[in-house]
Amino acid sequence: DVKVTQSSRYLVKRTGEKVFLECVQDMDHENMFWYRQDPGLGLRLIYFSYDVKMKEKGDIPEGYSVSREKKERFSLILESASTNQTSMYLCASSLWGSYEQYFGPGTRLTVT
Amino acid sequence: GNSVTQMEGPVTLSEEAFLTINCTYTATGYPSLFWYVQYPGEGLQLLLKATKADDKGSNKGFEATYRKETTSFHLEKGSVQVSDSAVYFCALSLDNYGQNFVFGPGTRLSVLP
Repeated sequence: DVKVTQSSRYLVKRTGEKVFLECVQDMDHENMFWYRQDPGLGLRLIYFSYDVKMKEKGDIPEGYSVSREKKERFSLILESASTNQTSMYLCASSLWGSYEQYFGPGTRLTVT
Repeated sequence: GNSVTQMEGPVTLSEEAFLTINCTYTATGYPSLFWYVQYPGEGLQLLLKATKADDKGSNKGFEATYRKETTSFHLEKGSVQVSDSAVYFCALSLDNYGQNFVFGPGTRLSVLP
């Protein structure tokens, strides 16, 4: 079974803090994704990566950066957290050329 | 631009009722279409897919047919169970690399015993 794990299920941070969200997949997938999920808006793509050290902006990259130093790990970084970044963050991975994305359980981030 | 519209929820049904969740899309090309399901406390899972017009995707008793003429991909199940309670997302992808999805807002389904 493909497994995508995220470092925390729940996280509470203060405005202005630097926040790291970690994602690890164990199936040697080339593609990895970060989404945020908000009520009524569905999933919106923040960034994706198709290879180590490669990254592409998604629909809402502002305020976020990413890092992919190893194939299995994809990190989302909030340089200076703000209250409007309170959300559910979902990581996903997929094989190159495959439509099926495998999702982690999500991290619910609250910024106060 | 590309977008996916789903019927607003929540949808509440009794066990063994018939389910339809409507999904329509707008796309600048010929997308592949998907339904994903998110059970409480879990990540999304692919439920079914269709990659060309008139294809029918099916899984776990759920079905959806790719209708190009109406730009729709409605999800149906003949007899729902309590265990089907979840949020259902319709999605499309326009590229051949699985890198570019557009998700709908999701429809929450609650099935009562």
